[in-house]
Amino acid sequence: KNEVEQSPQNLTAQEGEFITINCSYSVGISALHWLQQHPGGGIVSLFMLSSGKKKHGRLIATINIQEKHSSLHITASHPRDSAVYICAVSTGNQFYFGTGTSLTVIP
Amino acid sequence: EPEVTQTPSHQVTQMGQEVILRCVPISNHLYFYWYRQILGQKVEFLVSFYNNEISEKSEIFDDQFSVERPDGSNFTLKIRSTKLEDSAMYFCASSPQGGRNTEAFFGQGTRLTVV
Repeated sequence: KNEVEQSPQNLTAQEGEFITINCSYSVGISALHWLQQHPGGGIVSLFMLSSGKKKHGRLIATINIQEKHSSLHITASHPRDSAVYICAVSTGNQFYFGTGTSLTVIP
Repeated sequence: EPEVTQTPSHQVTQMGQEVILRCVPISNHLYFYWYRQILGQKVEFLVSFYNNEISEKSEIFDDQFSVERPDGSNFTLKIRSTKLEDSAMYFCASSPQGGRNTEAFFGQGTRLTVV
């Protein structure tokens, strides 16, 4: 059973395109996290959300608690955005991870 | 900027050997976590640790695994007798608090290869 589902699994975009990655979850959560995993494997936390919307540079994350859904948007995508984007939810002291969305931005 | 550091970055070990993966969490954080990611699969939660004891663990975290905070700065994951299927990337994370609004900071990971 997958507590967290992401779509799409793979995404290829042209530089400059607006990108949306979706995440749905089935458990009650304390917070939802968007993570970026670089090709070398390291993980960076992008956002932590418990409601509403957050923006950091070209990245925007939204969450709808009632619908158990979150989206990560990248505006004016750039090749350096190429990475795996992972949605994770925290419930108390445990985290559940999605399988990730592999994004490739082509120059 | 403070960061979580993990050593070594890559460890190769013989099947059946014990390995210890080391992590130095961010200094004022109170909650510590280990995760693993088998190649090509999603990240999986292993264990969370608070106040010098395990607060939660997954089914993966069986008797072969143990964690400790030996000296107030390091946070270690020990695998007693490694199996081939333990080969994975192991990530340590720390957070200033647990539960609601927990923002975790991840280390760069240790790639464990069991041969």
